[in-house]
Amino acid sequence: QKEVEQDPGPLSVPEGAIVSLNCTYSNSAFQYFMWYRQYSRKGPELLMYTYSSGNKEDGRFTAQVDKSSKYISLFIRDSQPSDSATYLCAMSAAGGGADGLTFGKGTHLIIQP
Amino acid sequence: KAGVTQTPRYLIKTRGQQVTLSCSPISGHRSVSWYQQTPGQGLQFLFEYFSETQRNKGNFPGRFSGRQFSNSRSEMNVSTLELGDSALYLCASSSRQRALSYNEQFFGPGTRLTVL
Repeated sequence: QKEVEQDPGPLSVPEGAIVSLNCTYSNSAFQYFMWYRQYSRKGPELLMYTYSSGNKEDGRFTAQVDKSSKYISLFIRDSQPSDSATYLCAMSAAGGGADGLTFGKGTHLIIQP
Repeated sequence: KAGVTQTPRYLIKTRGQQVTLSCSPISGHRSVSWYQQTPGQGLQFLFEYFSETQRNKGNFPGRFSGRQFSNSRSEMNVSTLELGDSALYLCASSSRQRALSYNEQFFGPGTRLTVL
């Protein structure tokens, strides 16, 4: 079993829909939880990070962490075609990623105009 | 502020050769991490350098090595290349100013290595 499981998709939704992306993990030492977005031929860029359990909102994006279930989610409201990309969840026990970030394989998201 | 730069962007090598990839972090960042991204395994941590010292290492064979220079630039070397080493190699820089709290990692565009 991989440390972090993420459905690779592809996930295709119409423009304006609410998108839900999820990851599960097995390592209870993870304290920092991140969502990255990666466009084709680009490096990942950070969307949001959350420390421990709880919710965090930034514009159209909401991240949720449930450490008791070892489950994290990213919600995208009012999805746009420009949101089409691969979304990667990442986790670490140390904040600076000094122990290295552990990534899910990524979910390929397609927003249909 | 310039982002993380990686050179070269694309590279083609044959089995058995060795390769060196370069990463220049964001100005002021002293931590550089390297990752390998493949369709099968996703993004996997290779190692992290901070102040010219390797601080942590992922689960990769000794053919993968790296170093960091006094200006924080880093190089990654892969010796005796295998077909399975074909991947996108990403480096990420961080200020790592706060040891016990979150320090964002900024990724470069990657070097696409193809081993024939």
